[in-house]
Amino acid sequence: EIVMTQSPATLSVSPGERATLSCRASQSLSSNLAWYQQKPGQAPRLLIYGASTRATGIPARFSGSGSGTDFTLTISSLQSEDFAVYFCQQYNNWPPWTFGQGTRVEIK
Amino acid sequence: EVQLVESGGGLVQPGGSLRLSCAASGFTFSSYWMSWVRQTPGKGLEWVANIKQDGSEKYYVDSVKGRFTISRDNAKNSLYLQMNSLRAEDTAVYYCVVGRGYSSSWGQGTLVTVSS
Repeated sequence: EIVMTQSPATLSVSPGERATLSCRASQSLSSNLAWYQQKPGQAPRLLIYGASTRATGIPARFSGSGSGTDFTLTISSLQSEDFAVYFCQQYNNWPPWTFGQGTRVEIK
Repeated sequence: EVQLVESGGGLVQPGGSLRLSCAASGFTFSSYWMSWVRQTPGKGLEWVANIKQDGSEKYYVDSVKGRFTISRDNAKNSLYLQMNSLRAEDTAVYYCVVGRGYSSSWGQGTLVTVSS
């Protein structure tokens, strides 16, 4: 099973600032990695797939990068609606598909 | 618009059973793999099981093998999860998800609580 490790657990950022979230896999994923955003009481929302492709309707301030074992989600200028929990997910080696434990982005 | 509506969650005693259902609409259900994913405060998101379009392939996370059974009825556009021998650690919100890798289509979830 591939273990996904996200860092940091919590990121405190001021509105308008850049946020950089990391996700590391225990084995190479090629580019088979997705990022999700989740707000309280809601299902996860797909942001990025293929490590760097934005899903439909996702603003350009969200970008993904990386390949192999190290991946990054960058939010270029945080808006109030971006404060949430972010998860990475690998879909390269399955089953099982596995998720990171999440990074909470909170208002500084 | 894709809609996934889960039902069947609730409070059950350890060792008990529940059957979750997911009613799908807004897409050609029979053309997609379908999955169940669960979420707990402690363990985060965990993929539970998925099933091929025609039901001929099914995969499970190790922790539920032999206890849970995923199935589908393409005529009814419905996905199911039969959960037997439930344990406290199965307590979670269970989501119905379109696809088998990443997905942009998730239901709103149904809460399963296993407790005496």
